Amino acid sequence: EVQVVESGGDMVQPGGSLRLSCTASGFTFSNYWMNWVRQAPGKGLEWVANINQDGGERYFADSVKGRFTISRDNADSSLFLQMNSLRVDDTAVYYCVRSLVAAGGTRWFDPWGQGTLVTVSS
Amino acid sequence: EIWLTQSPVTLSLSPGERATLSCRASQSISNYLSWYQQKPGQAPRLLIYDASIRATGIPARFSGSGSGTDFTLAISSLEPEDFAVYYCQHRATFGQGTKVEIK
Repeated sequence: EVQVVESGGDMVQPGGSLRLSCTASGFTFSNYWMNWVRQAPGKGLEWVANINQDGGERYFADSVKGRFTISRDNADSSLFLQMNSLRVDDTAVYYCVRSLVAAGGTRWFDPWGQGTLVTVSS
Repeated sequence: EIWLTQSPVTLSLSPGERATLSCRASQSISNYLSWYQQKPGQAPRLLIYDASIRATGIPARFSGSGSGTDFTLAISSLEPEDFAVYYCQHRATFGQGTKVEIK
């Protein structure tokens, strides 16, 4: 079964840091771009960051640029999101998602993990 | 940057009825559009990609159409499990969602 499982969500104070992890199984992890997509409580989906197959390309949403970094370990089929200088508006469920990138950019996101909740509050 | 606008915001229908959801892009995106379903408390699920191709395991009552700037997701006959929020996506952009609720 193709699946991804996130972990690492927690409650942190504004200005704090947190590292999210994602473990993939059921597919050749090193063949795919990987992403983090978040969803604030009661809101829609917001793409956060992605990384290509060998980690040489990384892109970030403007809202997190300079604060978040994305990395991967293909040997362990793992994806990470290091979040620094966290703000209240970073509060969300963070999803780890595989994607297909081809002509036209990211064509689809699938599968999605169950998500991990990050709460930024004092 | 391309924007995606979904309509309506909420669609109130009864089981067995046909649902038609719209997604409009701010400029032409060829057929590079996907649709997702999200039920309360669950992660999104890929339904349709490249505007009209059903993802693995998606029932035939779901269909997608369109190209350029106007796209449609249709559910031919609503089942109880289809009441959910639906999102369209192009590249890193998602629409704001359409909630299909029970009338």
